[in-house]
Parts: sequence; C-alpha cells; structure tokens
Amino acid sequence: AQTVTQSQPEMSVQEAETVTLSCTYDTSESDYYLFWYKQPPSRQMILVIRQEAYKQQNATENRFSVNFQKAAKSFSLKISDSQLGDAAMYFCAYRSAPEYGNKLVFGAGTILRVKS
Amino acid sequence: DGGITQSPKYLFRKEGQNVTLSCEQNLNHDAMYWYRQDPGQGLRLIYYSQIVNDFQKGDIAEGYSVSREKKESFPLTVTSAQKNPTAFYLCATKPRGSTDTQYFGPGTRLTVL
Repeated sequence: AQTVTQSQPEMSVQEAETVTLSCTYDTSESDYYLFWYKQPPSRQMILVIRQEAYKQQNATENRFSVNFQKAAKSFSLKISDSQLGDAAMYFCAYRSAPEYGNKLVFGAGTILRVKS
Repeated sequence: DGGITQSPKYLFRKEGQNVTLSCEQNLNHDAMYWYRQDPGQGLRLIYYSQIVNDFQKGDIAEGYSVSREKKESFPLTVTSAQKNPTAFYLCATKPRGSTDTQYFGPGTRLTVL
C-alpha cells in the first residue's frame, strides 16, 4: 500500500519570504500523480499544484513550485513571496493508477503560519 | 451554480443512531469519493464509486455504507456500528480522464452527542 509522510507538523514563514514544505511517499508503482492541496480555515480543499510522475520537469504554478525527486520518492512544495492568504493546512497526496480507482492517499498535513 | 453540494454543514447525532450525509454534484463527473478527516490527520478514504450502481470500499469502510443509484448523488450512511463517528466528512468527484484531479465539496461536520 502507498503511504505519504509529511514530517513537518507546523512551519512558519515571514511575509514575502520563501518556505519549503516536505513530503515523501512510498510506492511500487511507476506511473502515478502527486498533488499538493491547501485547506484554509474554511476547510475547503483547494488544489495547489500537481505533478505527473513520468514528467521529469518540476511543476510550477505562479508562486508555487515543486521539487520532485522520483528516485528518492520526495515531493516538496516551495512557496515564494509568501502572502498572508497562504496561511493554511497543506496536504501532500498520492494518486494511484486508474485501475485502482484513482484513489488519493494523503499525508497528515503541515500547518503553515505566515507572519506579517 | 455548478459544483458539489454537501448537506447539512453541521450534523448532530445521538449515539446509536444511523445518519445519512448527502453529496450531490452537477459537474457530470463519473467518479465520487467519501473521505473522513480527524484532527491532526490527513484525509482517509471511506468508499468510492467510479460508475453508477457500483462502489468499492476504501481504507476505513467499517461502520459506513453507501449507494450510487444516480450519477449525481453518492450518499454516505454512518451506522451505529461506527465506533468513533465524530469527524469532518468530505465528498469529492473526478471526471473521466487520468490527468484530472479530484474536486472537493465543502464538507459536513458530524458530532455524536
């Protein structure tokens, strides 16, 4: 079974600075997807960024980028120019292949606090 | 409005009672999922359905039941057999196509009194 580990329960960053959230996973599959979701106090899950395992290029979405190391099974999220609105719980998630139902496996989450 | 609707937002239940959480979508997505979120933990999969009239157990299906009679609806029943039902429940949908992610509803907070 796949597992996802987020080793940082909580992180803090100063507004306008950069922060990196860590995520490692374990799988025997070769084709899969990885995601970072944001959950603000409203508890609505919001997709931040996705990475397809067969793509070597790291995904980027505006101020958000990932460092995907397939061999090391590592998938960290970098937030540049942090804003107050970035404060939330962040979840790393692994999605299995379609034949297994496209199920998502989540890490325990990292609370990100942004200081003004 | 297009989207995923979960009702009610807050639900209270007496111990020993069954309760059904609603999830409705008008996105025409094929697959639907139910997750449970406890404090300090990530989401855990309860049940999922990839097509109408078919569903599979997730990692923590014990004490729960579902049905998928219509494409738009995937209700979750929390039975009295569920030992610790107090949690936040999230429904998600996914369109056909392997590149697409899951889209989440606003969630239902269930509290057992």
